[in-house]
Amino acid sequence: ETGVTQSPTHLIKTRGQQVTLRCSSQSGHNTVSWYQQALGQGPQFIFQYYREEENGRGNFPPRFSGLQFPNYSSELNVNALELDDSALYLCASSLRGGRETQYFGPGTRLLVL
Amino acid sequence: DAKTTQPPSMDCAEGRAANLPCNHSTISGNEYVYWYRQIHSQGPQYIIHGLKNNETNEMASLIITEDRKSSTLILPHATLRDTAVYYCIVRVEGYGNKLVFGAGTILRVKS
Repeated sequence: ETGVTQSPTHLIKTRGQQVTLRCSSQSGHNTVSWYQQALGQGPQFIFQYYREEENGRGNFPPRFSGLQFPNYSSELNVNALELDDSALYLCASSLRGGRETQYFGPGTRLLVL
Repeated sequence: DAKTTQPPSMDCAEGRAANLPCNHSTISGNEYVYWYRQIHSQGPQYIIHGLKNNETNEMASLIITEDRKSSTLILPHATLRDTAVYYCIVRVEGYGNKLVFGAGTILRVKS
Protein backbone atom coordinates (compact mmCIF):
# COMPACT_ATOMS: atom_id res chain seq x y z
CA GLU A 1 0.00 0.00 0.00
CA THR A 2 1.54 3.29 -1.10
CA GLY A 3 1.07 6.44 0.92
CA VAL A 4 0.22 9.95 -0.21
CA THR A 5 2.93 11.55 -2.30
CA GLN A 6 3.37 15.16 -3.36
CA SER A 7 5.55 16.95 -5.86
CA PRO A 8 7.62 18.99 -5.96
CA THR A 9 9.00 19.07 -2.41
CA HIS A 10 10.14 22.68 -2.67
CA LEU A 11 9.37 25.48 -5.09
CA ILE A 12 10.38 29.11 -5.48
CA LYS A 13 8.24 31.50 -7.53
CA THR A 14 7.97 35.24 -7.94
CA ARG A 15 4.95 37.38 -7.27
CA GLY A 16 2.38 37.26 -10.09
CA GLN A 17 3.44 33.86 -11.39
CA GLN A 18 1.31 30.72 -11.46
CA VAL A 19 2.09 27.39 -9.78
CA THR A 20 0.82 23.82 -10.02
CA LEU A 21 1.27 21.36 -7.17
CA ARG A 22 0.59 17.66 -7.51
CA CYS A 23 -0.69 14.94 -5.22
CA SER A 24 -1.08 11.19 -5.60
CA SER A 25 -3.62 9.59 -3.30
CA GLN A 26 -3.01 6.60 -1.09
CA SER A 27 -4.08 3.48 -2.94
CA GLY A 28 -7.78 2.72 -2.46
CA HIS A 29 -8.68 6.33 -1.64
CA ASN A 30 -11.10 8.39 -3.76
CA THR A 31 -11.09 11.81 -2.09
CA VAL A 32 -8.39 14.47 -1.93
CA SER A 33 -8.29 17.50 0.37
CA TRP A 34 -5.83 20.38 0.15
CA TYR A 35 -4.60 22.48 3.07
CA GLN A 36 -2.36 25.52 3.38
CA GLN A 37 -0.09 25.87 6.39
CA ALA A 38 1.58 29.21 7.00
CA LEU A 39 4.64 29.27 9.21
CA GLY A 40 3.76 28.78 12.88
CA GLN A 41 0.08 28.04 12.24
CA GLY A 42 -2.10 24.98 11.88
CA PRO A 43 -3.18 23.80 8.42
CA GLN A 44 -6.13 25.64 6.86
CA PHE A 45 -8.60 23.83 4.57
CA ILE A 46 -8.54 25.02 0.95
CA PHE A 47 -10.89 22.57 -0.79
CA GLN A 48 -11.74 18.94 -1.35
CA TYR A 49 -12.25 16.89 -4.50
CA TYR A 50 -14.43 13.83 -4.88
CA ARG A 51 -15.46 12.21 -8.16
CA GLU A 52 -13.44 14.85 -10.02
CA GLU A 53 -15.56 17.70 -8.64
CA GLU A 54 -14.93 20.27 -5.94
CA ASN A 55 -16.79 19.21 -2.84
CA GLY A 56 -16.37 21.90 -0.20
CA ARG A 57 -14.15 24.96 -0.10
CA GLY A 58 -12.56 27.00 2.64
CA ASN A 59 -12.03 30.76 2.74
CA PHE A 60 -9.69 30.99 -0.23
CA PRO A 61 -10.10 33.19 -3.34
CA PRO A 62 -10.92 31.79 -6.80
CA ARG A 63 -7.29 32.06 -7.89
CA PHE A 64 -6.86 28.85 -5.90
CA SER A 65 -8.27 26.07 -8.07
CA GLY A 66 -7.87 22.36 -8.42
CA LEU A 67 -8.45 19.24 -10.42
CA GLN A 68 -8.95 15.60 -9.64
CA PHE A 69 -8.18 12.97 -12.24
CA PRO A 70 -9.83 9.57 -12.88
CA ASN A 71 -6.99 7.86 -11.01
CA TYR A 72 -7.87 10.10 -7.99
CA SER A 73 -4.65 12.08 -8.16
CA SER A 74 -5.05 15.83 -7.87
CA GLU A 75 -3.54 19.19 -8.70
CA LEU A 76 -3.67 22.49 -6.87
CA ASN A 77 -3.24 25.56 -9.05
CA VAL A 78 -2.58 29.02 -7.72
CA ASN A 79 -2.67 32.01 -10.10
CA ALA A 80 -1.30 35.50 -9.57
CA LEU A 81 0.89 34.46 -6.68
CA GLU A 82 1.17 36.81 -3.72
CA LEU A 83 3.85 36.95 -1.06
CA ASP A 84 1.35 35.63 1.53
CA ASP A 85 0.93 32.46 -0.51
CA SER A 86 4.29 31.34 0.82
CA ALA A 87 3.42 28.28 2.88
CA LEU A 88 3.50 24.51 3.18
CA TYR A 89 0.79 23.01 0.97
CA LEU A 90 -0.56 19.70 2.20
CA CYS A 91 -2.60 17.12 0.41
CA ALA A 92 -4.63 14.49 2.28
CA SER A 93 -6.45 11.52 0.83
CA SER A 94 -9.36 9.55 2.26
CA LEU A 95 -12.02 7.04 1.29
CA ARG A 96 -15.51 8.49 0.95
CA GLY A 97 -17.97 5.94 2.19
CA GLY A 98 -15.37 4.38 4.47
CA ARG A 99 -13.99 5.70 7.74
CA GLU A 100 -12.88 8.85 5.90
CA THR A 101 -9.76 9.27 7.99
CA GLN A 102 -7.52 11.70 6.13
CA TYR A 103 -3.91 10.73 5.55
CA PHE A 104 -1.46 13.46 4.67
CA GLY A 105 1.42 13.67 2.28
CA PRO A 106 4.76 15.28 3.13
CA GLY A 107 3.75 18.63 1.64
CA THR A 108 5.18 21.09 -0.87
CA ARG A 109 7.03 24.11 0.51
CA LEU A 110 6.28 27.15 -1.68
CA LEU A 111 8.24 30.36 -1.37
CA VAL A 112 6.99 33.44 -3.23
CA LEU A 113 9.52 36.22 -3.68
CA ASP B 1 -12.60 28.29 14.16
CA ALA B 2 -11.32 25.22 15.96
CA LYS B 3 -13.77 23.74 18.44
CA THR B 4 -11.06 22.45 20.76
CA THR B 5 -8.77 23.96 23.38
CA GLN B 6 -5.32 22.60 24.09
CA PRO B 7 -2.41 23.81 26.22
CA PRO B 8 0.21 25.52 24.03
CA SER B 9 3.09 23.38 25.23
CA MET B 10 4.06 20.47 27.47
CA ASP B 11 7.26 18.74 28.48
CA CYS B 12 7.70 15.04 29.14
CA ALA B 13 10.66 12.94 30.25
CA GLU B 14 11.79 10.25 27.86
CA GLY B 15 10.35 6.86 28.79
CA ARG B 16 7.49 8.34 30.77
CA ALA B 17 3.88 8.55 29.70
CA ALA B 18 2.84 11.75 27.94
CA ASN B 19 -0.73 12.80 28.68
CA LEU B 20 -2.06 15.48 26.34
CA PRO B 21 -5.39 17.05 27.31
CA CYS B 22 -8.03 18.52 25.02
CA ASN B 23 -11.25 20.35 25.85
CA HIS B 24 -14.18 20.16 23.44
CA SER B 25 -17.10 21.32 25.54
CA THR B 26 -19.36 22.08 22.55
CA ILE B 27 -18.92 18.72 20.86
CA SER B 28 -22.02 17.34 19.14
CA GLY B 29 -23.29 13.83 19.49
CA ASN B 30 -22.12 12.76 16.05
CA GLU B 31 -18.66 14.35 16.22
CA TYR B 32 -15.59 12.20 16.63
CA VAL B 33 -12.41 13.26 18.40
CA TYR B 34 -9.35 12.95 16.17
CA TRP B 35 -5.69 13.31 17.06
CA TYR B 36 -2.92 14.12 14.60
CA ARG B 37 0.67 15.10 15.17
CA GLN B 38 3.12 17.01 13.04
CA ILE B 39 6.83 16.63 13.33
CA HIS B 40 8.73 19.69 12.18
CA SER B 41 8.00 20.56 8.52
CA GLN B 42 6.41 17.18 7.77
CA GLY B 43 2.79 16.41 6.93
CA PRO B 44 0.42 15.72 9.84
CA GLN B 45 0.33 12.09 10.93
CA TYR B 46 -2.93 10.44 11.97
CA ILE B 47 -2.73 8.96 15.46
CA ILE B 48 -6.13 7.82 16.64
CA HIS B 49 -9.79 8.77 16.83
CA GLY B 50 -12.89 7.85 18.81
CA LEU B 51 -16.52 8.69 19.46
CA LYS B 52 -17.23 7.89 23.09
CA ASN B 53 -15.40 4.72 24.01
CA ASN B 54 -11.76 4.67 24.91
CA GLU B 55 -9.55 3.60 22.04
CA THR B 56 -6.07 2.13 21.82
CA ASN B 57 -3.78 1.36 18.91
CA GLU B 58 -0.09 0.73 18.43
CA MET B 59 0.73 4.41 18.77
CA ALA B 60 -1.43 5.72 21.60
CA SER B 61 -4.54 5.52 23.76
CA LEU B 62 -7.45 7.94 23.67
CA ILE B 63 -9.50 8.48 26.81
CA ILE B 64 -12.79 10.36 26.34
CA THR B 65 -14.74 11.51 29.39
CA GLU B 66 -18.24 10.20 29.86
CA ASP B 67 -19.79 13.59 29.04
CA ARG B 68 -17.49 13.79 25.98
CA LYS B 69 -16.47 17.35 26.82
CA SER B 70 -12.80 16.51 27.10
CA SER B 71 -10.29 13.85 26.15
CA THR B 72 -6.70 12.82 26.80
CA LEU B 73 -4.21 11.36 24.36
CA ILE B 74 -1.73 9.07 26.08
CA LEU B 75 1.65 8.13 24.62
CA PRO B 76 2.62 5.33 27.03
CA HIS B 77 6.41 5.52 26.73
CA ALA B 78 7.45 8.77 25.11
CA THR B 79 10.64 8.87 23.06
CA LEU B 80 12.59 11.80 21.63
CA ARG B 81 10.96 11.07 18.28
CA ASP B 82 7.56 11.89 19.78
CA THR B 83 8.55 15.57 20.00
CA ALA B 84 5.95 17.23 17.74
CA VAL B 85 2.88 19.46 17.60
CA TYR B 86 -0.22 17.47 18.59
CA TYR B 87 -3.59 18.51 17.23
CA CYS B 88 -6.95 17.55 18.73
CA ILE B 89 -9.82 17.93 16.24
CA VAL B 90 -13.54 17.23 16.45
CA ARG B 91 -15.22 16.24 13.24
CA VAL B 92 -18.34 14.58 11.94
CA GLU B 93 -17.32 11.36 10.23
CA GLY B 94 -18.55 11.01 6.71
CA TYR B 95 -19.74 13.48 4.08
CA GLY B 96 -16.13 14.37 3.28
CA ASN B 97 -15.91 16.81 6.14
CA LYS B 98 -12.78 18.89 6.47
CA LEU B 99 -10.38 18.94 9.38
CA VAL B 100 -10.26 22.21 11.33
CA PHE B 101 -6.88 22.57 13.00
CA GLY B 102 -6.23 24.77 15.99
CA ALA B 103 -2.81 25.77 17.31
CA GLY B 104 -2.19 22.38 18.91
CA THR B 105 0.14 21.45 21.76
CA ILE B 106 3.90 21.42 21.32
CA LEU B 107 5.14 18.33 23.14
CA ARG B 108 8.83 18.33 23.98
CA VAL B 109 10.24 14.99 25.09
CA LYS B 110 13.47 15.46 26.99
CA SER B 111 16.19 12.97 27.88
